[in-house]
Amino acid sequence: AQSVTQLGSHVSVSEGALVLLRCNYSSSVPPYLFWYVQYPNQGLQLLLKYTSAATLVKGINGFEAEFKKSETSFHLTKPSAHMSDAAEYFCAVSIPQGAQKLVFGQGTRLTINP
Amino acid sequence: NAGVTQTPKFQVLKTGQSMTLQCAQDMNHNSMYWYRQDPGMGLRLIYYSASEGTTDKGEVPNGYNVSRLNKREFSLRLESAAPSQTSVYFCASSSTGSYGYTFGSGTRLTVV
Repeated sequence: AQSVTQLGSHVSVSEGALVLLRCNYSSSVPPYLFWYVQYPNQGLQLLLKYTSAATLVKGINGFEAEFKKSETSFHLTKPSAHMSDAAEYFCAVSIPQGAQKLVFGQGTRLTINP
Repeated sequence: NAGVTQTPKFQVLKTGQSMTLQCAQDMNHNSMYWYRQDPGMGLRLIYYSASEGTTDKGEVPNGYNVSRLNKREFSLRLESAAPSQTSVYFCASSSTGSYGYTFGSGTRLTVV
């Protein structure tokens, strides 16, 4: 079975500062990993995904994530935060077979301070 | 616009009432999913349909039923609503091999 742990339910950074959202996963087989963003009162939007190609994955809005097998991590980063990045972020894991079920972490709410 | 459409967007039910949440996608995706989102718990899978004609239980299926009416539509039914089913419900779809969901905008359900 797969699982995801997001470290920190709330993260607050200043505008222009580095954004780092942490995600660790557990999977019995090599996983596929995802980051989704949810703006208030909206559905989830895919930021980026890792599907066993390059370990450094670039996504939309300047975000990127690095798959580190030895650390079972898939942390999300952005060099310079913008006010529009304020949202909730979800890490998710899937396995590359079967029904493509996603297992989500509990989410991290990102606040940007002016 | 192409995507996943959920209806209704908001609903208030009394305990014991029934209702059906509707979901339709126009992207010719094979797989469809129902999740519920609760504060601090992320999204949890209720039911999914890997292809037309098949449905399977997810992590939290109790109190729910689903119907994959055709390739486009996947409905979620609450037969006898309970306050514990107060949540935001999301429908999603994906195509085989894409490994990325498209989500609907959600249904906010309150059971009183």
